[in-house]
Amino acid sequence: GDSVTQMEGPVTLSEEAFLTINCTYTATGYPSLFWYVQYPGEGLQLLLKATKADDKGSNKGFEATYRKETTSFHLEKGSVQVSDSAVYFCALSDRGKGGAQKLVFGQGTRLTINP
Amino acid sequence: DTAVSQTPKYLVTQMGNDKSIKCEQNLGHDTMYWYKQDSKKFLKIMFSYNNKELIINETVPNRFSPKSPDKAHLNLHINSLELGDSAVYFCASREAGGSDTQYFGPGTRLTVL
Repeated sequence: GDSVTQMEGPVTLSEEAFLTINCTYTATGYPSLFWYVQYPGEGLQLLLKATKADDKGSNKGFEATYRKETTSFHLEKGSVQVSDSAVYFCALSDRGKGGAQKLVFGQGTRLTINP
Repeated sequence: DTAVSQTPKYLVTQMGNDKSIKCEQNLGHDTMYWYKQDSKKFLKIMFSYNNKELIINETVPNRFSPKSPDKAHLNLHINSLELGDSAVYFCASREAGGSDTQYFGPGTRLTVL
């Protein structure tokens, strides 16, 4: 079945550092791709998404580009802040038999930003 | 004006008990979900309902029984709770026929002692 693999965490950076969190996927067809963020003690929030190849999703300074040729959707931010400390999840939309849609998540990457 | 809400936020109970978690969405969405997040933060789909009809059941033990009284509500009842049921349970919703974006509730942390 479809799957998502994220880089192992935890990731610790200093404020204003450049961030990359790698995400690759395996899927039949061309699923929509997502990054969700979970701040401490909270639920999941949609950070950004891309629905087709070469689309770039962006939000709050974060970006990710849907790369069909490398089956990747890496998350980047040019200058991280302490407030970006959270767990980040890469996910794809899986429409199984009959078209029922679900999200398949990567294992999550915990990001800690030190001042 | 919370979009997807869950109650309770925390639930602590003894092994063998029966408990329920409730979810409500005011987004007008047709499809709702339950996901389980384990202690390592891994998230996995459990169930999905579309307009009160079960459409996804991902090999979850039959001690777990979802119920959808209407398309805005999806409850999760768990019988004979086991230690391994301890997790955070997230409800989510999506507009059927719309984008594949799902909107998540704040989660219910279940601890089985």
